[in-house]
Amino acid sequence: GAVVSQHPSWVICKSGTSVKIECRSLDFQATTMFWYRQFPKQSLMLMATSNEGSKATYEQGVEKDKFLINHASLTLSTLTVTSAHPEDSSFYICSARDGYYEQYFGPGTRLTVT
Amino acid sequence: KNEVEQSPQNLTAQEGEFITINCSYSVGISALHWLQQHPGGGIVSLFMLSSGKKKHGRLIATINIQEKHSSLHITASHPRDSAVYICAGPMGEDTDKLIFGTGTRLQVFP
Repeated sequence: GAVVSQHPSWVICKSGTSVKIECRSLDFQATTMFWYRQFPKQSLMLMATSNEGSKATYEQGVEKDKFLINHASLTLSTLTVTSAHPEDSSFYICSARDGYYEQYFGPGTRLTVT
Repeated sequence: KNEVEQSPQNLTAQEGEFITINCSYSVGISALHWLQQHPGGGIVSLFMLSSGKKKHGRLIATINIQEKHSSLHITASHPRDSAVYICAGPMGEDTDKLIFGTGTRLQVFP
């Protein structure tokens, strides 16, 4: 089956710094990638939809200047958390769609901001 | 407003038991997903289905489009099946943005 990877799997950063998370589709081309966030004991929430070569579409309440998404190729999307704050600590998950309607999920990245 | 509801929220079982987790949604869908999340957070896609039934090993997923209901079954459950199981469906018609259920926490004891 299709594989989506994320890097890093976990990261600790200091408040005020920026951190980049990568999402890669390893064996297929992803026309669309989705970024989700999950707080402890809560469900996943969609943050933004990323289409290759165009600007991401952010969900209501998600700050686009804080969560920068770049989908520069059909196999890579990146999420950069800028000027991170402790409240940004969360589990970030991406999924990738292969041009049909099936979505494949990455394993997630746990971000801790100290 | 589309909602995805799961039941039960928590489930405990003895090894070997047959397990059923239910998912109901309110908007017509193109596909419904079942995901597994282990402690530590990693998510594994189990199934994506839009009709009928799918089987993978000891896992079976069924969907009834008319009743807007899906079930995930685990046969001969094992402690390694202990995880949170999440169903997810599209936020609305003609979209592949997903809305997630709150998950069912399953613990299987030896």
